[in-house]
Amino acid sequence: DSGVTQTPKHLITATGQRVTLRCSPRSGDLSVYWYQQSLDQGLQFLIQYYNGEERAKGNILERFSAQQFPDLHSELNLSSLELGDSALYFCASSGRVKNTGELFFGEGSRLTVL
Amino acid sequence: SQQGEEDPQALSIQEGENATMNCSYKTSINNLQWYRQNSGRGLVHLILIRSNEREKHSGRLRVTLDTSKKSSSLLITASRAADTASYFCATRMYSGGGADGLTFGKGTHLIIQP
Repeated sequence: DSGVTQTPKHLITATGQRVTLRCSPRSGDLSVYWYQQSLDQGLQFLIQYYNGEERAKGNILERFSAQQFPDLHSELNLSSLELGDSALYFCASSGRVKNTGELFFGEGSRLTVL
Repeated sequence: SQQGEEDPQALSIQEGENATMNCSYKTSINNLQWYRQNSGRGLVHLILIRSNEREKHSGRLRVTLDTSKKSSSLLITASRAADTASYFCATRMYSGGGADGLTFGKGTHLIIQP
């Protein structure tokens, strides 16, 4: 158990819809990262938050947005969903005082867009 | 885009044999990490090697790093069925500004035949 919690585990929705994925980082971790994993693109970095502030942006589409709340949990919002958005979405955290550089991953949210 | 590229894409060996996976990357790095992912699960950190290190061991794992060739290898000795998984190398994306996420390769899928 990494200590990172993601909900929901599975989500099936239709094209054009909007979903929200939630992540609770490990206790004390300040950084949250979102990744998308699909068969063709591999593991793609989407966005990083640190203590509530956006820290880095990767290949995140404009239809996607994220935020980190004062209690450090994070949400990834995916809107106007397309078939190609079907993927595993992972949240990871890091950032304790002695950050070793490793990321701790949740078990992911599997999104299926029909 | 992928920073690290693993080779081979897939590897099937007999239990008890050694498994070697390679990773090449494109730009200068602070450190390189290896992660394991069991099918459909979250990634788990295995080992981290810093840019000033050449070799590191952890249990049955041995990692080497050649910064002149921008490559790394992961050796798993005396493989077990439980080692069946995908293995990813990851490099740290940024050295400053606080952004410290990882860029992952597409992974090597390792199958250990009993």
